[in-house]
Amino acid sequence: QSVLTQPPSASGTPGQRVTISCSGSSSNIGSNTVSWYQQLPGTAPKLLIYSNNQRPSGVPDRFSGSKSGTSASLAISGLQSEDEADYYCAAWDDSLNGPVFGGGTKLTVL
Amino acid sequence: EVQLVESGGGLVQPGGSLRLSCAASGFTFSTYWMSWVRQAPGKGLEWVANIKQDGSEKYYVDSVKGRFTISRDNTKNSLYLQMNSLRAEDTAVYYCAKDDTSGQPDYWGQGTLVTVSS
Repeated sequence: QSVLTQPPSASGTPGQRVTISCSGSSSNIGSNTVSWYQQLPGTAPKLLIYSNNQRPSGVPDRFSGSKSGTSASLAISGLQSEDEADYYCAAWDDSLNGPVFGGGTKLTVL
Repeated sequence: EVQLVESGGGLVQPGGSLRLSCAASGFTFSTYWMSWVRQAPGKGLEWVANIKQDGSEKYYVDSVKGRFTISRDNTKNSLYLQMNSLRAEDTAVYYCAKDDTSGQPDYWGQGTLVTVSS
């Protein structure tokens, strides 16, 4: 059972906007920044969003992140078939001295 | 370009040991925290351990405390994970990761598979 809570699945059609939620607590999301990762089938995770809403170089601006209190969300606009992947949220946890992850959300592009 | 290359995975019997290595390049290794993160087959990501730049601080997830040891050699730009008393539930792909200033991974290796089975 993961420390951060994400919906197990999400879906959308090409061109649509989808959001994925991530819920935590005061020891993680409530007091630290959130990162999001994309994991394509059979590959290592890739950083998508850091510091709640910042995109690394090369990540399309279709991906955006936000945080409020002990929750965060990832939004993907203009959905494309290549966005079909697993998405994970993460945040530093003050009680663990390490990051905690969500259980992952499998995004299906219909 | 940041590169992280893990090695050392394989099949090991319950109770056995294994040492994972991670060769880092493309960044100043000695100035970053580093982590190991694992992913059991068909499951999500789980942080395992991390280590400070000079090795003076190390932290572990409860399930591996006393069995796993993280270490680094800054002269060789390498990160290690010594895994003892392995259990079936340790079966996973183990990723080496460079941490950003918030303590979360920003670069990941390709992973190495550890299978604990008799």
